[in-house]
Amino acid sequence: KNEVEQSPQNLTAQEGEFITINCSYSVGISALHWLQQHPGGGIVSLFMLSSGKKKHGRLIATINIQEKHSSLHITASHPRDSAVYICAVRSEWARDDKIIFGKGTRLHILP
Amino acid sequence: DGGITQSPKYLFRKEGQNVTLSCEQNLNHDAMYWYRQDPGQGLRLIYYSQIVNDFQKGDIAEGYSVSREKKESFPLTVTSAQKNPTAFYLCASSLGYTDTQYFGPGTRLTVL
Repeated sequence: KNEVEQSPQNLTAQEGEFITINCSYSVGISALHWLQQHPGGGIVSLFMLSSGKKKHGRLIATINIQEKHSSLHITASHPRDSAVYICAVRSEWARDDKIIFGKGTRLHILP
Repeated sequence: DGGITQSPKYLFRKEGQNVTLSCEQNLNHDAMYWYRQDPGQGLRLIYYSQIVNDFQKGDIAEGYSVSREKKESFPLTVTSAQKNPTAFYLCASSLGYTDTQYFGPGTRLTVL
């Protein structure tokens, strides 16, 4: 079982829909990251969370430390949001505090 | 403009040849990282460096080598010992080891 699990693996939605991507992890963490990878391969860091909720534009990230779960929400989705969204956690127990990446959720927003 | 660059974007090599991937940052970051990405898999850490002149093996270091002679540069050599080198390689940097990582655009290596 992977230490970081994302769901769904793939998601297709219509423009304007509210999107939720989930991330569950099984290790103790010091921080959780949400990353966006565009079709060309470049990765952008969206959020770094250790508790609560963060908002940036149409993106909202939440984390529940007790339940070991985080969600990334996109409001009023747009075709330019089409990308792979990756959840990553910094394990507080792994050797050298390493980051563990999920396999990503591929999001496709139809116009 | 500050940023992190990787070159080239696409690289083709014959089997058995060593190849070096470039990663440069002008963000004045101490820490730098190399990741490998394969289809359907999460990013996997190859090597990382917390400070100049120091580096550590990640989860999949076999068949790779790095150097960190300058703060802004962290080149990765894919050696002929790497059994399956065809992949997308991403370099990242962060101010300190536990800070947010900033990624380069990546290099797609294909070994023929």
